[in-house]
Amino acid sequence: EPEVTQTPSHQVTQMGQEVILRCVPISNHLYFYWYRQILGQKVEFLVSFYNNEISEKSEIFDDQFSVERPDGSNFTLKIRSTKLEDSAMYFCASSEVGQTLVTNEKLFFGSGTQLSVL
Amino acid sequence: QQPVQSPQAVILREGEDAVINCSSSKALYSVHWYRQKHGEAPVFLMILLKGGEQKGHEKISASFNEKKQQSSLYLTASQLSYSGTYFCGTEIATGSARQLTFGSGTQLTVLP
Repeated sequence: EPEVTQTPSHQVTQMGQEVILRCVPISNHLYFYWYRQILGQKVEFLVSFYNNEISEKSEIFDDQFSVERPDGSNFTLKIRSTKLEDSAMYFCASSEVGQTLVTNEKLFFGSGTQLSVL
Repeated sequence: QQPVQSPQAVILREGEDAVINCSSSKALYSVHWYRQKHGEAPVFLMILLKGGEQKGHEKISASFNEKKQQSSLYLTASQLSYSGTYFCGTEIATGSARQLTFGSGTQLTVLP
């Protein structure tokens, strides 16, 4: 079965440093997402992305965060200046069809990148 | 608008049944159920769209009440492999792209 691939699996960084988390969504999928999960807590929505632009974003997704689809396969999340509270597992997800009210598609999650900010 | 899940945790023996509930103060467009094993990504279980809908396969099923404000996940004759954290994800009709809001999760532990 096709899968969403995330790299790296673990990332350790110093507070204030920039990090880029990388994701390769499933090839025929059109919608891409980033979620995060702080240890022991629920999965939180960060941002959705379609047609090379952000569709939705949560309050967590402030100016320190950005997403990009630099080529036809990668989808990246950049945190410009990391804070201690950014430490979490970051999940990328993708879905095949539109995330509108007309259709409904399940999300395929990657295995996540564990980000530790020291 | 985070859905409320209950219970927070449940421990049962292999072969026993469990019910996990997910409720919202507003009518939902859909409810998604995911299971996450420790250290792994959430894995999709099912989506419910219609009020009164029930769906599932084998021993894991779910229902969505008529008012579309409450969903329950049923695990019958549980197996060791059912252990994990179960999240419901809810969508409210906003007219825009999907934003799943997940509940806090229910930690299910199945003991031999």
